[in-house]
Amino acid sequence: DIQMTQSPSSLSASVGDRVTITCQASQDISNYLNWYQQKPGKAPKLLIYDASNLETGVPSRFSGSGSGTDFTFTISSLQPEDIATYYCQHLTFGGGTKVEIK
Amino acid sequence: QVQLVESGGGLVKPGGSLRLSCAASGFTFSDYYMSWIRQAPGKGLEWVSYISSSGSTIYYADSVKGRFTISRDNAKNSLYLQMNSLRAEDTAVYYCARSPGELLSSGFDYWGQGTLVTVSS
Repeated sequence: DIQMTQSPSSLSASVGDRVTITCQASQDISNYLNWYQQKPGKAPKLLIYDASNLETGVPSRFSGSGSGTDFTFTISSLQPEDIATYYCQHLTFGGGTKVEIK
Repeated sequence: QVQLVESGGGLVKPGGSLRLSCAASGFTFSDYYMSWIRQAPGKGLEWVSYISSSGSTIYYADSVKGRFTISRDNAKNSLYLQMNSLRAEDTAVYYCARSPGELLSSGFDYWGQGTLVTVSS
């Protein structure tokens, strides 16, 4: 089974900061990697599919990159409404990264 | 608009059974692969099971294989999860989700609001 290792598990940043989350696959998964945002008490929301494609309606401050085994998710300028837990997913999900405001 | 509405959750004793339903609307249900995904309280997301648009291809996570059965009724625009031999570790919010493609790695573009299953004596 392919394992997805996400880091960090949590981070604290200021409004306007650039935030980066990484996801590593245990073997080559090409670009088959998706990113989700989950706010407390809500269902997850798909933000990025196939590593770098922005889902319709998602703000352009969110972006994704990578291929093979190493992937990156970036929020270019953190906003208060971005407080959430973010997950990467191939077949299974990464452990999640909780993003908080400093 | 696309809507997925889960139902059937509740409190059940260890070893018991429960059947979850997911009513779909706003899209052609029979064209899409569907999944169940769960989230234990305070924990991350765990994919549970996946069914192709016709129902001919089904996958399960190892943690539920042999105990859970996914099915669908395209005439009723509904997805189901029959859960037997429930354990405390099955306690979670269960979400149904739509896949935009045919691969599990295609992701999940629409999710229901979830239904809580609690396994406890």
